Amino acid sequence: NAGVTQTPKFQVLKTGQSMTLQCAQDMNHEYMSWYRQDPGMGLRLIHYSVGAGITDQGEVPNGYNVSRSTTEDFPLRLLSAAPSQTSVYFCASSSPGRTGASTGELFFGEGSRLTVL
Amino acid sequence: RKEVEQDPGPFNVPEGATVAFNCTYSNSASQSFFWYRQDCRKEPKLLMSVYSSGNEDGRFTAQLNRASQYISLLIRDSKLSDSATYLCVVATGGGNKLTFGTGTQLKVEL
Repeated sequence: NAGVTQTPKFQVLKTGQSMTLQCAQDMNHEYMSWYRQDPGMGLRLIHYSVGAGITDQGEVPNGYNVSRSTTEDFPLRLLSAAPSQTSVYFCASSSPGRTGASTGELFFGEGSRLTVL
Repeated sequence: RKEVEQDPGPFNVPEGATVAFNCTYSNSASQSFFWYRQDCRKEPKLLMSVYSSGNEDGRFTAQLNRASQYISLLIRDSKLSDSATYLCVVATGGGNKLTFGTGTQLKVEL
């Protein structure tokens, strides 16, 4: 059971380049989300999805796009990378809870370390 | 004011000590509360949920005070392996928006 798989693990971009961070989970979880983690800032929610075809913005959505065409996959797109997007990105998924799509027990991928020059 | 605030530490304690971490949250409509653990350069992992009545899991005790909007984590008989960053997490939006605190770093020493 692979859990949550993120690729790539490391990436260096130049300002203005675009790229997609891939995230896949094999636990049939409805809820998926993307966070970025920066020193002194903690994890901040970028976008989340409560099921295929449904996405919503988190705390820091600007500069990022997401889509959810299948239950398994939740890619994060950077359309025009900026140095401020240098960060560690975590994808997470969760099984449904009684009051929402997430129980609060998030299963994280190992993270993707992105540097934008 | 941050939605979830924690003392960043580090807390340096000897093995066997008892240590407590505190966390405050600003949104009175928050529905669920959790403690996560994150080892250096690793992904966060759920340590325990926090229930209104308080709950215990081995050496770990979590408590919630809704009136004061305050969550705590107590670790008894600290082990070297407890060294990590402990993240306070609060859920809103029907449980779908989870907000993380910046974390409290614990270092357990011989």
